[in-house]
Amino acid sequence: DAGVIQSPRHEVTEMGQEVTLRCKPISGHDYLFWYRQTMMRGLELLIYFNNNVPIDDSGMPEDRFSAKMPNASFSTLKIQPSEPRDSAVYFCASSPGQGAISEAFFGQGTRLTVV
Amino acid sequence: AQSVTQLDSQVPVFEEAPVELRCNYSSSVSVYLFWYVQYPNQGLQLLLKYLSGSTLVESINGFEAEFNKSQTSFHLRKPSVHISDTAEYFCAVIAYSSASKIIFGSGTRLSIRP
Repeated sequence: DAGVIQSPRHEVTEMGQEVTLRCKPISGHDYLFWYRQTMMRGLELLIYFNNNVPIDDSGMPEDRFSAKMPNASFSTLKIQPSEPRDSAVYFCASSPGQGAISEAFFGQGTRLTVV
Repeated sequence: AQSVTQLDSQVPVFEEAPVELRCNYSSSVSVYLFWYVQYPNQGLQLLLKYLSGSTLVESINGFEAEFNKSQTSFHLRKPSVHISDTAEYFCAVIAYSSASKIIFGSGTRLSIRP
């Protein structure tokens, strides 16, 4: 398996534009996580899904952020409209049926810069 | 709620020297404990974990961590570091009651000097 695949690897966009980050989890994994990493706040859990259903979205910063998982092999994180303070590295991770107590496998991240 | 504290944001050490990266957690319920490592420009990878049983757990590359319930700590140690250990290390917890919500610490950047 190629691991968790995120796209794009880098995204530069202007303030106010819509940004969509994509994630393909490892086949067969039941859990999918979205994290944001910044120097100031470290690694924050934004939302996670179990069997395509959002379980906990309490980490989503505000209504500008939304996440979907239309099927077991694809998830998106959308920011609309984007702001400079959204600049960060966004990670997607997936875990098998036991959840993250087994192991969370991370993608290489999307580095988002909002100018 | 759970929280994780990594007191040292950066730890510089010389190659072949021992190192300890500190981690303390706070939780009103029992937790599972983890260390993840992030190499430059990569995602996080699991280094080791404590779920139950022996309080001393080891990784394949020479790191070990000991769960100390009374001190609510899970410090990471290695007796002799190598240049390739240069990375950021994250301590994390999952509450028994929440099988998947991982709470990460702020990370400790380990830099190895030749």
